[in-house]
Amino acid sequence: GQNIDQPTEMTATEGAIVQINCTYQTSGFNGLFWYQQHAGEAPTFLSYNVLDGLEEKGRFSSFLSRSKGYSYLLLKELQMKDSASYLCAGYTGGFKTIFGAGTRLFVKA
Amino acid sequence: GAVVSQHPSWVICKSGTSVKIECRSLDFQATTMFWYRQFPKQSLMLMATSNEGSKATYEQGVEKDKFLINHASLTLSTLTVTSAHPEDSSFYICSASSGQGYNEQFFGPGTRLTVL
Repeated sequence: GQNIDQPTEMTATEGAIVQINCTYQTSGFNGLFWYQQHAGEAPTFLSYNVLDGLEEKGRFSSFLSRSKGYSYLLLKELQMKDSASYLCAGYTGGFKTIFGAGTRLFVKA
Repeated sequence: GAVVSQHPSWVICKSGTSVKIECRSLDFQATTMFWYRQFPKQSLMLMATSNEGSKATYEQGVEKDKFLINHASLTLSTLTVTSAHPEDSSFYICSASSGQGYNEQFFGPGTRLTVL
């Protein structure tokens, strides 16, 4: 079956670091996406992990452990504009991506 | 690069009417397009996958006679919501993939449908 879990909401302070966790159980798992989605807008691509380990891209980093079915998105030096929903999504091949419910991040001053 | 457009951005219609939403890949050829529906504060739910020139593959629970999908060219897919009802009101998002690499999807800006 396909199951992706992530926290519903998180709150963090401007300038801080926040880690958004995601656990998954998907059959035929190929890789894991992270997307950012502002309210009323379409998701925008942040990262894609296929191999275990940490991939850093500017203020955002994403980690994957395939054996544990676990990933996290790390956001550093938080800015107010980072307030958004962050979607964890498993790519199962066959051109299918399964999305989690998303984590709404609130960044406060 | 990799821009996907949707039209219209929002639409309000009366119950019982049909609504067509267009999804276009502007600067690449999309071998596969996806249609999602998103209710407020919920995640994207995949409705169907369409490949150019062939019939769409619908997810379980999605009525193919109600949500007609046409992927007539490598740059255009349309979703028609037939005989729309208030419960069809939602945010509809398309995405397109060129079939390269890990099939990163590029999302359109979404269409907000309100059925009165």
